[in-house]
Amino acid sequence: GDSVTQMEGPVTLSEEAFLTINCTYTATGYPSLFWYVQYPGEGLQLLLKATKADDKGSNKGFEATYRKETTSFHLEKGSVQVSDSAVYFCALNDGSGYMEYGNKLVFGAGTILRVKS
Amino acid sequence: DAGVTQSPTHLIKTRGQQVTLRCSPKSGHDTVSWYQQALGQGPQFIFQYYEEEERQRGNFPDRFSGHQYPNYSSELNVNALLLGDSALYLCASSLWDRGPYEQYFGPGTRLTVT
Repeated sequence: GDSVTQMEGPVTLSEEAFLTINCTYTATGYPSLFWYVQYPGEGLQLLLKATKADDKGSNKGFEATYRKETTSFHLEKGSVQVSDSAVYFCALNDGSGYMEYGNKLVFGAGTILRVKS
Repeated sequence: DAGVTQSPTHLIKTRGQQVTLRCSPKSGHDTVSWYQQALGQGPQFIFQYYEEEERQRGNFPDRFSGHQYPNYSSELNVNALLLGDSALYLCASSLWDRGPYEQYFGPGTRLTVT
């Protein structure tokens, strides 16, 4: 079945450091890929998405490129801030046959990011 | 524009009891999905409702059931609670005709089973 693997955390960085969180996936179809962020005590917020190969999703300084050849969707940010401290989830949505069967998000285990001032 | 809302925020139940969690989707959305997030893990898909029917189901036992109302709001029911059911339960809404794209999440209901 479909699956998502994320790098284990926690990742601890100093403010203004460069961030990379690795994400690879396994899927039978052509999934859409997402990064969600979860701040302490809150639900999940969509950070960015990419729906086909070579698409680049971006938002709030974060970027990720859909790489079909390496089945990856790594999250990057050039200069992190303390306010970026949160748990980041990579997810996919296969979507094949969704009009008949519906669709679901498959999540990775999450990566904790801690940014120190 | 109201986002996804869930109630209650927190809930404490005893093993063997039954619980009902509620969700109102984002305005304009017609599809509701439920996820279980155990501590330190990613969310796991429970099921999805559209047009008041369960469209897809994850690997959860029949103790987990749901319902969707004509106004698109939804309930998640869990019977015969086990300690292992303690988790954050997340509701997500989306628009069926938009395709398999992003889902918008509510803040969740924290269920503790003692």
